[in-house]
Amino acid sequence: GNSVTQMEGPVTLSEEAFLTINCTYTATGYPSLFWYVQYPGEGLQLLLKATKADDKGSNKGFEATYRKETTSFHLEKGSVQVSDSAVYFCALTGSQGNLIFGKGTKLSVKP
Amino acid sequence: NAGVTQTPKFQVLKTGQSMTLQCAQDMNHEYMSWYRQDPGMGLRLIHYSVGAGITDQGEVPNGYNVSRSTTEDFPLRLLSAAPSQTSVYFCASRLVGTDTQYFGPGTRLTVL
Repeated sequence: GNSVTQMEGPVTLSEEAFLTINCTYTATGYPSLFWYVQYPGEGLQLLLKATKADDKGSNKGFEATYRKETTSFHLEKGSVQVSDSAVYFCALTGSQGNLIFGKGTKLSVKP
Repeated sequence: NAGVTQTPKFQVLKTGQSMTLQCAQDMNHEYMSWYRQDPGMGLRLIHYSVGAGITDQGEVPNGYNVSRSTTEDFPLRLLSAAPSQTSVYFCASRLVGTDTQYFGPGTRLTVL
């Protein structure tokens, strides 16, 4: 079945540092790929998505490109802020109409 | 437009007690689902529904019941709570034919 593997955290960065969170997937067919973000004490919010190979999703300075050849969807941001501190989840569509999530990566950004 | 709402936000139960977690959405979404979030496990699907009167099991359905009598509501019932059900529970919804899911704020449940 479909599955997602994302880099384990926690990740601690200084403000304005470059961020990469790795995500690879295993899937049959061509699922949509997502990054969701969970701020402390809150639910999950969609950060960005891509629906087909070579699509780039972007939002709030974050980007991720759907790479079919490497089955990857790595999240990047050029300059993180303290307000980006959160847990980030990579996900893809499952066969039950659901989302299949990675385990999450906690990001802490220090001023 | 309130989106997806969940009540309560926090709940403490004793082993063997029963309770219902409420979920409602006002976006006329046909698809609704319940997930549980455990440390280091990501989110796992418990049950889902593609419309009123239709429900099905997800990855971890044991110990939980659901029903869908209206489009708006999708309650999750714990019949006899166990400590293994201590978790954060999220409800989500989406329009059939689209892939973006909208999540509620979650219910943090502790079973003693």
